[in-house]
Amino acid sequence: GAGVSQSPSNKVTEKGKDVELRCDPISGHTALYWYRQRLGQGLEFLIYFQGNSAPDKSGLPSDRFSAERTGESVSTLTIQRTQQEDSAVYLCASSLGGGASEQFFGPGTRLTVL
Amino acid sequence: KQEVTQIPAALSVPEGENLVLNCSFTDSAIYNLQWFRQDPGKGLTSLLLIQSSQREQTSGRLNASLDKSSGRSTLYIAASQPGDSATYLCAVNNYGQNFVFGPGTRLSVLP
Repeated sequence: GAGVSQSPSNKVTEKGKDVELRCDPISGHTALYWYRQRLGQGLEFLIYFQGNSAPDKSGLPSDRFSAERTGESVSTLTIQRTQQEDSAVYLCASSLGGGASEQFFGPGTRLTVL
Repeated sequence: KQEVTQIPAALSVPEGENLVLNCSFTDSAIYNLQWFRQDPGKGLTSLLLIQSSQREQTSGRLNASLDKSSGRSTLYIAASQPGDSATYLCAVNNYGQNFVFGPGTRLSVLP
């Protein structure tokens, strides 16, 4: 694929349900980032994967949030027991290497928790 | 802890004007700085990446400069067009850490 893809593009769920968001990075990109953007606000860093190193989870807001990545491919962000405050656009980015490399973003998943 | 600010928060200019967007960061020990644009309801599009060893980067009508010692970067847009209307974000990376984003400048170019 030409760019970073994310699915679903939109997700509406009820409070208390679990959701899984998917990110397909650009092929060959070893680094993958998840961010959250609440309406009208800036980007909040959530988690960063770099190759086979332990991920940087310092941005995850609570233990309801977790993410996995298999090798240098697809990543899933899971939110358990969703709350209304989790409503936001979740953006994924990938880069060729680590922090020195240009980030490329996916279109995002808009999550609405009713 | 790295903090990034952007001034102004919003800017409205008539078509054809040259303009400058500002980005400031508190920790000058950065690895690189990246400028993005974000259109409403869309993801981010990379515009320019400046490594810490560089002073500026150019792409078409865009020119980004970096002054690490003063903790500043500017994005210069020449001959602005209505299609340039978007939110412009800067992000800085301190080696070994994640990117920290500024809050953005919302630009409107009026025809």
